[in-house]
Amino acid sequence: EVQLVESGGGLVQPGGSLRLSCAASGFTLSDHYMDWVRQAPGKGLEWIGRSRNKANNFITEYAASVKGRVTISRDESRNSLYLHLNSLKTEDTAIYYCSRERAASVFDQWGQGTLVTVSS
Amino acid sequence: SYVLTQPPSVSVAPGKTARISCGGNNIDTKSVHWYQHRPGQAPVVVIYYDYDRPSGIPERFSGSKSGNMATLTISRVVAGDEADYYCQVWDSSSYHWVFGGGTKLTVL
Repeated sequence: EVQLVESGGGLVQPGGSLRLSCAASGFTLSDHYMDWVRQAPGKGLEWIGRSRNKANNFITEYAASVKGRVTISRDESRNSLYLHLNSLKTEDTAIYYCSRERAASVFDQWGQGTLVTVSS
Repeated sequence: SYVLTQPPSVSVAPGKTARISCGGNNIDTKSVHWYQHRPGQAPVVVIYYDYDRPSGIPERFSGSKSGNMATLTISRVVAGDEADYYCQVWDSSSYHWVFGGGTKLTVL
């Protein structure tokens, strides 16, 4: 069964940093483009960034709203995806989802999300 | 940056047809995907590549596109269809995925 499980959320102080993990099972992560998407309270879905697959050298692309503060990385040995976000602001409070792209297109699998709260 | 515009809310009575629009400049040149997002759950794709339906999604869900507008149509609406719906496209000029603002579907 294909599954994505996010972890690492919690309470973080403004100005701090976070590292979220997304553990994949049931498929080989490196074969797929992978994305992070977030949803702030009362808001819609916001794309954060993408890591292309191994065949495309894991090239990353990031949304303008977080560029310069964000890094998406992978650990092939753990079949896991990571999101690093620094200089956190209260506006970064959100549920963070990882998702898999099918054929470098539609997001066909999503995790359940992990909640990050940025507050002092 | 590319913008997708959706109505914030759509209301429909059970058994009727709901239509959710997604407007974007030259959207007819892009592939549109639609997601259903229920509170506390992971989003689920209901239509991809404009009008294809994943296995397991009822035939009541359909997609169409014309000019600067894409539309998700849900026929014979049931209470379980109540959710937020998002359209999505890839903006090749900025190398960004773009989501519409989302539409809350309320079943009366």
